[in-house]
Amino acid sequence: GQNIDQPTEMTATEGAIVQINCTYQTSGFNGLFWYQQHAGEAPTFLSYNVLDGLEEKGRFSSFLSRSKGYSYLLLKELQMKDSASYLCAVTYNQGGKLIFGQGTELSVKP
Amino acid sequence: DTAVSQTPKYLVTQMGNDKSIKCEQNLGHDTMYWYKQDSKKFLKIMFSYNNKELIINETVPNRFSPKSPDKAHLNLHINSLELGDSAVYFCASSQGTSGYYNEQFFGPGTRLTVL
Repeated sequence: GQNIDQPTEMTATEGAIVQINCTYQTSGFNGLFWYQQHAGEAPTFLSYNVLDGLEEKGRFSSFLSRSKGYSYLLLKELQMKDSASYLCAVTYNQGGKLIFGQGTELSVKP
Repeated sequence: DTAVSQTPKYLVTQMGNDKSIKCEQNLGHDTMYWYKQDSKKFLKIMFSYNNKELIINETVPNRFSPKSPDKAHLNLHINSLELGDSAVYFCASSQGTSGYYNEQFFGPGTRLTVL
């Protein structure tokens, strides 16, 4: 199988930093995406990693370790509007197919 | 300005009926997808078309039939609807199928409720 594992839910405080982890099976790995999905809305693209290391984009960063089958999404200076589900998705050697994890429901509290 | 659009947004119907969901993208992308998101928010690929040709066909009942009249449109027809078909169906598109070109843009979703 191609299980993508991430925590079901997390809670953090406004202004804080939170790290959402994702693990996946490494065989045939071709790239990893992070998406954000607010309740009742469509997923929207946050980041893409294919090489080891950290990609930074404003308050959001994403890290990848190909050998460990591990990624994380780091959210800094949390805002209330960051409350959403964060989806980790992996592509394998199968022509564009994204395999999604179950999503991590993040609640940001004042 | 809508990039990926779907109609209808909501669909409530009786078991056994046949229904269609339409999807259009104005991004000039070559590849389009259908995903199903169940009540546990798990998003799963169903089909993918590249330049009107089927390239991904997951283990989906043959009651589901996608049709791509041109590369900007991908419709989903569902025959003999069942209770378990109730979900949110998302259409998506991407420029290509590898690397950064595989960044997928999602439509707003169609919430299907089968009674």
